[in-house]
Amino acid sequence: NAGVTQTPKFQVLKTGQSMTLQCAQDMNHNSMYWYRQDPGMGLRLIYYSASEGTTDKGEVPNGYNVSRLNKREFSLRLESAAPSQTSVYFCASVIIGHSGNTIYFGEGSWLTVV
Amino acid sequence: EDQVTQSPEALRLQEGESSSLNCSYTVSGLRGLFWYRQDPGKGPEFLFTLYSAGEEKEKERLKATLTKKESFLHITAPKPEDSATYLCAVGGGGADGLTFGKGTHLIIQP
Repeated sequence: NAGVTQTPKFQVLKTGQSMTLQCAQDMNHNSMYWYRQDPGMGLRLIYYSASEGTTDKGEVPNGYNVSRLNKREFSLRLESAAPSQTSVYFCASVIIGHSGNTIYFGEGSWLTVV
Repeated sequence: EDQVTQSPEALRLQEGESSSLNCSYTVSGLRGLFWYRQDPGKGPEFLFTLYSAGEEKEKERLKATLTKKESFLHITAPKPEDSATYLCAVGGGGADGLTFGKGTHLIIQP
């Protein structure tokens, strides 16, 4: 998972609090993603960014906002955290080539909302 | 809507006992079938990408194969360190992410 760095690794929030998960990649990839992983649900796409300055909703965007600050950084913000947002969050970056895509994941951020 | 189904959900093998994991998929315009390994507390680690039916790729004790409807991850003579959750995913477009299955939790007993 070298190349994609997420912070923080662990966080506990109270319902209604806000926070931002940070992600940075040093592989000069254009596209970046935020996924959440829940038991029995697998990995689900929250938001993605095909390039600097663009973002699009994925499968489960409600309750989240994102910012693609520059090519390296893609942050995920929870404006008013809810217990349903307790999950493990993974940032990923992807290289899209003629031979296809390869996606690299960060180590994850464990978020608990109480 | 892209769909990925993995089976079995969990598999326990003895060391050296070969087996296969299945990934069935439906996608409009396959742009790649991906296999990842995930260890507890870690992010998914990329293993393989397959693009067309009949394609095969190998890495150590793992071999991935692809047909038009499914992919198999064959594990030959596994070792305890192969224990992990194996994830399958499909890509249906250029930049709009992958659709993942729920994974197969593989345990290799010494």
